[in-house]
This record gives sequence, C-alpha cells and structure tokens, in this order.
Amino acid sequence: AQKITQTQPGMFVQEKEAVTLDCTYDTSDPSYGLFWYKQPSSGEMIFLIYQGSYDQQNATEGRYSLNFQKARKSANLVISASQLGDSAMYFCTFRGGSEKLVFGKGTKLTVNP
Amino acid sequence: ETGVTQTPRHLVMGMTNKKSLKCEQHLGHNAMYWYKQSAKKPLELMFVYNFKEQTENNSVPSRFSPECPNSSHLFLHLHTLQPEDSALYLCASSQGVRTGISANTEAFFGQGTRLTVV
Repeated sequence: AQKITQTQPGMFVQEKEAVTLDCTYDTSDPSYGLFWYKQPSSGEMIFLIYQGSYDQQNATEGRYSLNFQKARKSANLVISASQLGDSAMYFCTFRGGSEKLVFGKGTKLTVNP
Repeated sequence: ETGVTQTPRHLVMGMTNKKSLKCEQHLGHNAMYWYKQSAKKPLELMFVYNFKEQTENNSVPSRFSPECPNSSHLFLHLHTLQPEDSALYLCASSQGVRTGISANTEAFFGQGTRLTVV
C-alpha cells in the first residue's frame, strides 16, 4: 500500500522568505503522480502543483516548485517569496495504480509579517 | 460558479436523524469522491465513483450510503450517525476514463460540509 509521510506538523516562515515543506512516499508502482494541495481555514482543498513519476524536470507553478528526488522518494514543496495568504495546511498526496488519492497528515504553515 | 459545489456547508444533526449531503461538479469529470477529514487525522477516502459505478468503498460503515445518479452529482446519505462521525466531509471530482483513473489526474475539491452529530 502507498504511504505518504509529512514529518513537519507545523512550519513558520517570515513574509517574503522561501520555505520548504517535506514529503516522502513509499510505493512499488512504476507510474504515479504526486500532488500538493493547500487547505485554508475555510476548508476548501486547493490544487497547487503536480509531478509525474516519469517527468524529467521538477514541476513549477508560479511561486510553487517541487523538489522531486525520485531515488529518495521525496517530493518537497518549495514556496518562494511567502505571503501572508500562504498561511494554511499543506497536503502532499499520491496517486498510483489504483484510483485512490492518498493524503499525508499535512503541514500547517504560518507566515509571519 | 465554482467547479465543485457542496451543500449544505454546515449541518448539525441528531443521532436519529436522516440527512443527505450533496455534491455537484461542473467540470465535465467522470470520477467523484467522498473524503472524511477529522481533527488530527489524515484525509480518509470513503468512496470513489467512476462513470457512475462505485469502484471503491474504503470499509465505510453502512450508516453512510453514497449515491451517484449521474457523473455530475454525488450524494452521501446519512442515518443513525454517531458523535465520532462529526467531521468535514469533502467531495472531489477528477477526469476518469472507462478503464479507470490515471495517475496524473488531479482532483478538484468542493468547500466541504462541516457535520456535527449531537
């Protein structure tokens, strides 16, 4: 069974600085996708970025980038130039050969002014 | 109009009540999901539907009964719930094909229904 591990329950960052949120996964599927979601206090789960297992380059979407290290089975999210509105829960998720989208426990990010 | 809409946003119900949660998606997707998010727990997948067929039931108690009348609508019927069922229930949709849901398909979520069982 697939497993997603987010080891940082909470992270703090100063506004305008960069922050890295860690994610490791465990799978035997040859083909899989990794996704990051943001959940503000309102509850909605917002899709941020996707990385495919066969992608040669790290995914980037605006201020979000994914540091994908396939051999280490890690897919860390990097947020550059943090903004106050980035304060939220961040979930690393995995989809492999099944239809399940498996979520990690999440990291609560707080951006300080 | 948002892609995935859930109603109601908040629900308080007694343990003997029967209620239903509704989810509607306007994204043209064929796969829909129910997730449960309890405090201090990872999101738990409950059900998956692909082309109106249930493809996943993650050992969910029978007091939760899903219904998918078409690819745009998903319901979760609730009856005789317990206080520990209080949680945020999230609906999601994604692109699906007849043979399944591919690994590179992201899911789009609604804002959730916050359920309190008293």
